[in-house]
Amino acid sequence: QSALTQPASVSGSPGQSITLSCTGTSSDVGSYNLVSWYLQHPGKAPKLMIYEGSKRPSGVSNRFSGSKSGNTASLTISGLQAEDEADYYCCSYAGSSTFYVFGTGTKVTVL
Amino acid sequence: QVQLVESGGGVVQPGGSLRLSCAASGFTFSSYGMHWVRQGPGKGLEWVTFIRYDGGNKLYADSVKGRFTISRDSSKNTLYLQMNSLRAEDTAVYYCAKDGSGYAFDIWGQGTMVTVSS
Repeated sequence: QSALTQPASVSGSPGQSITLSCTGTSSDVGSYNLVSWYLQHPGKAPKLMIYEGSKRPSGVSNRFSGSKSGNTASLTISGLQAEDEADYYCCSYAGSSTFYVFGTGTKVTVL
Repeated sequence: QVQLVESGGGVVQPGGSLRLSCAASGFTFSSYGMHWVRQGPGKGLEWVTFIRYDGGNKLYADSVKGRFTISRDSSKNTLYLQMNSLRAEDTAVYYCAKDGSGYAFDIWGQGTMVTVSS
C-alpha cells in the first residue's frame, strides 16, 4: 500500500486561505469517510486537527476545515497565521488488511 | 490532563531487541484502543500497530509483522511495544497514540527515539 500523495510544500501570506490536498485511491480515501489530518511542528508530536474528513476536535480553531471529493481529501486553512507554519499529514483508514495509510506530508510556509 | 509518556528508546545493534513503554494518565486507559506510530529521520509518519481496549485484537503493519509485539497492562496504565530482530530501517521516533473517533489518533505522546546501528 503506497502512501497518500500530498504536495511537498504550500505557502501563503498571513490572512490568506490555503488548501492542502491528499490523494489516495478507491481502496482508502475513496472508500471511507475516515480521513484525519495532523499538524506537526518541528521536533514535536503530531496534533489531530480534523477527523472523519471534516470534524474538528474540541479546541481546534474553526479556521481549519476538511472535505473530500472522490479519492482526494482536502484541508483548508483560512486566515493563515504564523503559528500555522508546520508540516501537515493526512491519514486514511484503508480496510482490514492495510488498516492505516498516511500521506507524504506537506510543509506549510507562512510568507 | 490527558498525557502519554514514552520511554525505552535507545541505540541497538541490527538483530537486537528493545521494549518501549508508554505511560498513560488523565483518561480511562482500559476503555481505549492504543497505537504505535513511527517517523524515520526526516521522513513521514507510518502506522505500526494497534491493540484493542481489552487486548483482544492486535493489528500490525506488514513491515513489522512477526517481529514486533504490542501489549498492554491496564493495572499499570501502560502500553508496550516489544521489538525483535531490529533492522536499520526501524530507526525512527516511536510515538504512542490513543485511538479516537473515526479511526483517528487523538492524543500523542512526545515520542522516543530508536536507533538501529552497529
